[in-house]
Amino acid sequence: GQQLNQSPQSMFIQEGEDVSMNCTSSSIFNTWLWYKQDPGEGPVLLIALYKAGELTSNGRLTAQFGITRKDSFLNISASIPSDVGIYFCAGQGSNYQLIWGAGTKLIIKP
Amino acid sequence: NAGVTQTPKFQVLKTGQSMTLQCAQDMNHEYMSWYRQDPGMGLRLIHYSVGAGITDQGEVPNGYNVSRSTTEDFPLRLLSAAPSQTSVYFCASRLNTGIPYGYTFGSGTRLTVV
Repeated sequence: GQQLNQSPQSMFIQEGEDVSMNCTSSSIFNTWLWYKQDPGEGPVLLIALYKAGELTSNGRLTAQFGITRKDSFLNISASIPSDVGIYFCAGQGSNYQLIWGAGTKLIIKP
Repeated sequence: NAGVTQTPKFQVLKTGQSMTLQCAQDMNHEYMSWYRQDPGMGLRLIHYSVGAGITDQGEVPNGYNVSRSTTEDFPLRLLSAAPSQTSVYFCASRLNTGIPYGYTFGSGTRLTVV
Protein backbone atom coordinates (compact mmCIF):
# COMPACT_ATOMS: atom_id res chain seq x y z
CA GLY A 1 0.00 0.00 0.00
CA GLN A 2 0.92 3.67 0.06
CA GLN A 3 3.69 4.67 2.42
CA LEU A 4 5.12 7.82 3.83
CA ASN A 5 8.82 8.15 4.52
CA GLN A 6 9.33 10.18 7.65
CA SER A 7 12.76 11.30 8.79
CA PRO A 8 14.65 11.35 10.96
CA GLN A 9 13.53 8.32 12.98
CA SER A 10 14.77 9.95 16.18
CA MET A 11 16.45 13.15 17.26
CA PHE A 12 18.52 13.98 20.32
CA ILE A 13 18.48 17.71 20.90
CA GLN A 14 19.47 20.25 23.52
CA GLU A 15 16.78 22.37 25.09
CA GLY A 16 16.50 25.59 23.13
CA GLU A 17 17.52 24.07 19.80
CA ASP A 18 15.39 24.23 16.68
CA VAL A 19 14.07 20.95 15.25
CA SER A 20 13.20 19.97 11.70
CA MET A 21 11.55 16.82 10.39
CA ASN A 22 9.92 15.90 7.12
CA CYS A 23 7.74 13.41 5.28
CA THR A 24 7.85 12.38 1.66
CA SER A 25 5.53 10.28 -0.43
CA SER A 26 5.50 8.75 -3.88
CA SER A 27 1.83 9.77 -4.16
CA ILE A 28 0.12 13.12 -4.16
CA PHE A 29 -1.91 14.04 -1.09
CA ASN A 30 -4.72 16.59 -0.75
CA THR A 31 -4.10 17.16 2.96
CA TRP A 32 -1.12 16.83 5.27
CA LEU A 33 -1.47 16.53 9.02
CA TRP A 34 1.07 16.61 11.84
CA TYR A 35 0.34 14.85 15.15
CA LYS A 36 2.17 14.45 18.44
CA GLN A 37 1.91 11.37 20.65
CA ASP A 38 2.84 11.41 24.31
CA PRO A 39 3.62 8.10 26.09
CA GLY A 40 0.49 6.08 26.85
CA GLU A 41 -1.75 8.42 24.88
CA GLY A 42 -3.26 8.64 21.43
CA PRO A 43 -2.00 11.12 18.82
CA VAL A 44 -3.13 14.73 19.10
CA LEU A 45 -3.42 17.00 16.07
CA LEU A 46 -0.86 19.82 15.90
CA ILE A 47 -1.27 21.33 12.42
CA ALA A 48 -3.42 20.64 9.35
CA LEU A 49 -2.41 21.74 5.83
CA TYR A 50 -4.86 21.83 2.94
CA LYS A 51 -3.15 23.63 0.06
CA ALA A 52 0.12 23.10 -1.82
CA GLY A 53 2.66 25.68 -0.67
CA GLU A 54 0.71 26.46 2.50
CA LEU A 55 2.76 27.50 5.53
CA THR A 56 0.96 27.30 8.88
CA SER A 57 2.11 28.03 12.42
CA ASN A 58 0.86 26.91 15.81
CA GLY A 59 2.92 28.66 18.47
CA ARG A 60 6.53 27.50 18.11
CA LEU A 61 5.52 24.94 15.48
CA THR A 62 5.53 25.69 11.75
CA ALA A 63 4.56 23.23 9.03
CA GLN A 64 4.60 23.48 5.25
CA PHE A 65 2.70 21.63 2.54
CA GLY A 66 5.22 20.97 -0.23
CA ILE A 67 4.58 22.53 -3.62
CA THR A 68 4.68 19.10 -5.32
CA ARG A 69 2.02 17.83 -2.85
CA LYS A 70 4.32 14.89 -2.13
CA ASP A 71 6.06 16.22 0.95
CA SER A 72 5.63 18.21 4.14
CA PHE A 73 7.92 19.69 6.78
CA LEU A 74 7.54 20.43 10.48
CA ASN A 75 9.80 22.81 12.38
CA ILE A 76 9.85 23.39 16.13
CA SER A 77 11.67 26.47 17.32
CA ALA A 78 13.42 26.83 20.69
CA SER A 79 12.54 23.33 21.94
CA ILE A 80 11.44 22.85 25.54
CA PRO A 81 11.26 19.66 27.65
CA SER A 82 7.52 19.16 27.01
CA ASP A 83 8.24 18.85 23.27
CA VAL A 84 9.52 15.30 23.80
CA GLY A 85 7.34 12.64 22.24
CA ILE A 86 6.74 11.05 18.88
CA TYR A 87 5.71 13.24 15.96
CA PHE A 88 3.73 11.70 13.12
CA CYS A 89 2.88 13.01 9.70
CA ALA A 90 -0.23 11.76 7.92
CA GLY A 91 -1.45 12.34 4.41
CA GLN A 92 -4.94 12.08 3.03
CA GLY A 93 -5.51 11.13 -0.58
CA SER A 94 -8.59 10.97 -2.73
CA ASN A 95 -10.11 8.04 -0.80
CA TYR A 96 -10.27 10.13 2.40
CA GLN A 97 -8.24 7.62 4.42
CA LEU A 98 -5.07 8.67 6.23
CA ILE A 99 -1.65 7.23 5.48
CA TRP A 100 0.79 7.61 8.38
CA GLY A 101 4.53 8.07 8.62
CA ALA A 102 6.48 5.87 11.06
CA GLY A 103 7.13 8.77 13.41
CA THR A 104 10.05 10.91 14.63
CA LYS A 105 10.97 10.40 18.27
CA LEU A 106 12.17 13.61 19.90
CA ILE A 107 14.46 13.25 22.92
CA ILE A 108 15.92 16.12 24.93
CA LYS A 109 19.53 15.56 25.98
CA PRO A 110 20.01 16.00 29.74
CA ASN B 1 -15.17 15.02 29.37
CA ALA B 2 -16.23 14.45 25.79
CA GLY B 3 -13.98 12.18 23.80
CA VAL B 4 -13.16 8.63 22.77
CA THR B 5 -13.07 5.99 25.49
CA GLN B 6 -11.25 2.71 24.96
CA THR B 7 -11.35 -0.31 27.24
CA PRO B 8 -9.44 -2.18 28.43
CA LYS B 9 -6.16 -0.25 28.63
CA PHE B 10 -4.07 -3.42 28.85
CA GLN B 11 -4.82 -7.04 27.96
CA VAL B 12 -2.87 -10.30 27.77
CA LEU B 13 -4.36 -13.12 25.72
CA LYS B 14 -3.31 -16.65 24.98
CA THR B 15 -3.00 -17.72 21.36
CA GLY B 16 -6.40 -18.78 20.07
CA GLN B 17 -8.46 -16.81 22.57
CA SER B 18 -11.01 -14.28 21.40
CA MET B 19 -11.82 -10.89 22.84
CA THR B 20 -13.50 -7.59 22.08
CA LEU B 21 -11.85 -4.19 22.37
CA GLN B 22 -14.40 -1.55 23.21
CA CYS B 23 -14.58 1.97 21.78
CA ALA B 24 -17.20 4.59 22.60
CA GLN B 25 -17.46 8.26 21.67
CA ASP B 26 -19.91 10.90 22.85
CA MET B 27 -19.29 13.57 20.21
CA ASN B 28 -21.90 12.33 17.71
CA HIS B 29 -19.15 11.58 15.19
CA GLU B 30 -20.33 9.57 12.21
CA TYR B 31 -16.88 8.26 11.26
CA MET B 32 -15.06 5.81 13.54
CA SER B 33 -11.98 3.74 12.88
CA TRP B 34 -9.54 1.27 14.41
CA TYR B 35 -5.77 1.47 13.96
CA ARG B 36 -2.91 -0.66 15.17
CA GLN B 37 0.46 0.81 16.04
CA ASP B 38 3.61 -1.29 15.90
CA PRO B 39 7.17 -0.18 16.74
CA GLY B 40 8.87 1.64 13.87
CA MET B 41 5.69 1.78 11.82
CA GLY B 42 2.97 4.33 11.35
CA LEU B 43 -0.60 3.72 12.35
CA ARG B 44 -2.28 1.18 10.09
CA LEU B 45 -6.01 1.19 9.48
CA ILE B 46 -7.81 -2.04 10.39
CA HIS B 47 -11.50 -1.25 9.85
CA TYR B 48 -13.62 1.87 9.66
CA SER B 49 -17.24 2.94 9.68
CA VAL B 50 -18.92 6.00 8.18
CA GLY B 51 -22.12 5.52 10.16
CA ALA B 52 -24.30 3.06 12.05
CA GLY B 53 -24.75 -0.14 10.08
CA ILE B 54 -21.88 0.61 7.67
CA THR B 55 -18.39 -0.82 8.01
CA ASP B 56 -15.49 -1.34 5.64
CA GLN B 57 -12.03 -2.85 5.63
CA GLY B 58 -8.86 -0.88 5.95
CA GLU B 59 -5.28 -1.80 5.18
CA VAL B 60 -4.88 -4.75 7.63
CA PRO B 61 -8.32 -6.28 8.33
CA ASN B 62 -7.43 -9.99 8.54
CA GLY B 63 -8.16 -11.56 11.92
CA TYR B 64 -10.45 -8.73 13.04
CA ASN B 65 -14.20 -8.12 12.88
CA VAL B 66 -16.20 -4.98 13.57
CA SER B 67 -19.82 -3.94 13.78
CA ARG B 68 -21.53 -0.57 14.22
CA SER B 69 -25.01 -0.92 15.69
CA THR B 70 -25.05 2.58 17.23
CA THR B 71 -23.37 5.89 16.42
CA GLU B 72 -21.55 5.83 19.75
CA ASP B 73 -19.94 2.37 19.79
CA PHE B 74 -17.50 0.62 17.48
CA PRO B 75 -16.13 -2.62 19.02
CA LEU B 76 -13.22 -4.52 17.50
CA ARG B 77 -13.28 -8.31 17.80
CA LEU B 78 -10.25 -10.57 17.64
CA LEU B 79 -11.61 -13.93 16.55
CA SER B 80 -8.61 -16.17 17.38
CA ALA B 81 -5.70 -14.19 18.76
CA ALA B 82 -2.24 -14.70 17.28
CA PRO B 83 1.15 -13.38 18.48
CA SER B 84 1.27 -11.20 15.33
CA GLN B 85 -1.66 -9.26 16.78
CA THR B 86 0.45 -8.05 19.69
CA SER B 87 0.19 -4.29 19.25
CA VAL B 88 -1.26 -1.06 20.57
CA TYR B 89 -4.76 -0.45 19.22
CA PHE B 90 -6.25 3.00 18.80
CA CYS B 91 -9.82 3.97 18.09
CA ALA B 92 -10.40 7.33 16.39
CA SER B 93 -13.49 9.26 15.38
CA ARG B 94 -14.38 12.40 13.45
CA LEU B 95 -17.27 14.11 11.75
CA ASN B 96 -18.09 12.71 8.31
CA THR B 97 -17.20 15.84 6.42
CA GLY B 98 -14.65 14.13 4.20
CA ILE B 99 -11.82 16.31 5.50
CA PRO B 100 -9.58 14.79 8.16
CA TYR B 101 -9.49 17.75 10.52
CA GLY B 102 -10.87 16.83 13.90
CA TYR B 103 -9.82 13.21 14.38
CA THR B 104 -10.06 12.41 18.09
CA PHE B 105 -8.09 9.41 19.33
CA GLY B 106 -8.65 7.23 22.36
CA SER B 107 -5.74 6.55 24.68
CA GLY B 108 -5.17 3.06 23.29
CA THR B 109 -5.34 -0.60 24.29
CA ARG B 110 -2.02 -2.40 24.67
CA LEU B 111 -2.56 -6.04 23.70
CA THR B 112 -0.06 -8.86 24.20
CA VAL B 113 -0.73 -12.31 22.74
CA VAL B 114 1.40 -15.08 24.20
